[in-house]
Amino acid sequence: AQKVTQAQTEISVVEKEDVTLDCVYETRDTTYYLFWYKQPPSGELVFLIRRNSFDEQNEISGRYSWNFQKSTSSFNFTITASQVVDSAVYFCALRPNDQTGANNLFFGTGTRLTVIP
Amino acid sequence: DSGVTQTPKHLITATGQRVTLRCSPRSGDLSVYWYQQSLDQGLQFLIQYYNGEERAKGNILERFSAQQFPDLHSELNLSSLELGDSALYFCASSMDGTDTQYFGPGTRLTVL
Repeated sequence: AQKVTQAQTEISVVEKEDVTLDCVYETRDTTYYLFWYKQPPSGELVFLIRRNSFDEQNEISGRYSWNFQKSTSSFNFTITASQVVDSAVYFCALRPNDQTGANNLFFGTGTRLTVIP
Repeated sequence: DSGVTQTPKHLITATGQRVTLRCSPRSGDLSVYWYQQSLDQGLQFLIQYYNGEERAKGNILERFSAQQFPDLHSELNLSSLELGDSALYFCASSMDGTDTQYFGPGTRLTVL
């Protein structure tokens, strides 16, 4: 079974603070892909990052960084020096390597981040 | 802008009615996916098409159906609508089945 858990329902931080959003996943597949999407108040889903299961190298993109640890089945997302524009709901998602060709995403329940000015 | 377009943006209708949601994928993308986002169910996969053929089905109700046309645009048909069908419906597309999925802006359906 495929499952993504985002235990943090809501997080509030003051502007310029760092914040980490947690994501834990479950899958029996040896090859899979992990994603983070952002849903701002306007409602669209914006792709942030994709990581495959055989690449555990952490990644930094500007103020964003991702920590993928296969040993703990976690794919956490850190925003450094948060800004008000970072306020959104963030979704972690899993896509298993389905041999039938199904490539749908399994989403977590999301973490609502509010950055207070 | 992801390049995926969805129409209409908002739709208000009554119970028992039928509606059609439309999606145009990014240029060059062959796969189209439909997802439903509701308060109680979260983001759930409905159905996937690849180059005109159904590839996978998720928790899609029998009252719902979809198709992908030769020009690769897709339509999601929802019939015998119930109050619980009120949700945000997303379309996503990818180049093939393994590529990153890019989402459209969504269609917000309200059933009164």
